[in-house]
Amino acid sequence: DSGVTQTPKHLITATGQRVTLRCSPRSGDLSVYWYQQSLDQGLQFLIQYYNGEERAKGNILERFSAQQFPDLHSELNLSSLELGDSALYFCASSVSPDSNRGNEQFFGPGTRLTVL
Amino acid sequence: AQSVTQLDSHVSVSEGTPVLLRCNYSSSYSPSLFWYVQHPNKGLQLLLKYTSAATLVKGINGFEAEFKKSETSFHLTKPSAHMSDAAEYFCVVSDRVSSGSARQLTFGSGTQLTVLP
Repeated sequence: DSGVTQTPKHLITATGQRVTLRCSPRSGDLSVYWYQQSLDQGLQFLIQYYNGEERAKGNILERFSAQQFPDLHSELNLSSLELGDSALYFCASSVSPDSNRGNEQFFGPGTRLTVL
Repeated sequence: AQSVTQLDSHVSVSEGTPVLLRCNYSSSYSPSLFWYVQHPNKGLQLLLKYTSAATLVKGINGFEAEFKKSETSFHLTKPSAHMSDAAEYFCVVSDRVSSGSARQLTFGSGTQLTVLP
């Protein structure tokens, strides 16, 4: 158990809808990262927050957004969902933002999103 | 830009025989390299990491990897495979995408390891 929790475990919704995925980092970790894992794209970095502020952006679509709250939990919002958004969404956390070369990220179990 | 190439999408070994999962990377700056393992329906777990200290890195569950800068490789090995090693393995590079930018992880496409009895 990594200490990172994600809810819900599974989510099934229809095209055009909006969903919110939630992540609670490990105790003491200030950085939260979101990743998308799909069969065709593999594992891709979406976005990172550090202590409430956006730190880095990866291949995140404009229809997607995220935020990190004062208690450090994070939410990933996916809107106008398309069939191709079906994937496993992982959250990870780490102590520091990125300055340490060996900055290890701890991954949650993921949320499996199915868009019908 | 950084990239990671895992040379084999599937590797099959017999229990008790050595494991070799191959990884090559490219990076413009000073990368850190990681191997993560993903068991079915589970999140990713760190096996080991290289951060510019010793080039031979030992990880959990008997795995180790050697960083070879001249070959831009970071292959993962284990002397003797166990049934519980069956999983998907990801080679990951962490580096700045440009000078002064934040570090990002770039994942390889993964290698599915099958261990035969």
